[in-house]
Amino acid sequence: DADVTQTPRNRITKTGKRIMLECSQTKGHDRMYWYRQDPGLGLRLIYYSFDVKDINKGEISDGYSVSRQAQAKFSLSLESAIPNQTALYFCATSDSGLPRGPQHFGDGTRLSIL
Amino acid sequence: GQQLNQSPQSMFIQEGEDVSMNCTSSSIFNTWLWYKQDPGEGPVLLIALYKAGELTSNGRLTAQFGITRKDSFLNISASIPSDVGIYFCAAYSGAGSYQLTFGKGTKLSVIP
Repeated sequence: DADVTQTPRNRITKTGKRIMLECSQTKGHDRMYWYRQDPGLGLRLIYYSFDVKDINKGEISDGYSVSRQAQAKFSLSLESAIPNQTALYFCATSDSGLPRGPQHFGDGTRLSIL
Repeated sequence: GQQLNQSPQSMFIQEGEDVSMNCTSSSIFNTWLWYKQDPGEGPVLLIALYKAGELTSNGRLTAQFGITRKDSFLNISASIPSDVGIYFCAAYSGAGSYQLTFGKGTKLSVIP
């Protein structure tokens, strides 16, 4: 089983719809992250969380919200989706006991907004 | 903001050839990470570098943390078809840093 699981893997939806992407992890890490990947742009940080109920904005948080209700789960919401939010979304985790430690990624959610 | 300039953007090589790619920046970083992403999957960590000058190998892969702390390179020796993918550099800055800065990736194609 994957250590970092993202659901759904693919989603097609319409402009204006509310969408939630889920991430769960079995690594026991306390730090979790949401990234967006666009072709040719690398990965950009949307939000991150260092513990339950801890939420921090990343580089591109506008239009997104997150929830961290349990250590193992971190969800990303698009309240009213727009076409330029079409992208590949990744969740990642890291261990706070290893400062500057590597982040471990899920396999991504491909989101298309029509 | 801080940026990592990764080059080349893409490369086509013959199977068996060696490959070199690098990341440079005008800013200092304290940790360098190299990831590989296969189609339809998330990035997977290849090598982590924590000290300036550090040279680390992982099988046919070798990476170095530049002395100036502003650059890093990744070499792949004797390439094989499964080396195909996108390679990303990433780096942390500062002792308490928690945000990774990513390069834009090098897309590697291996011709059998």
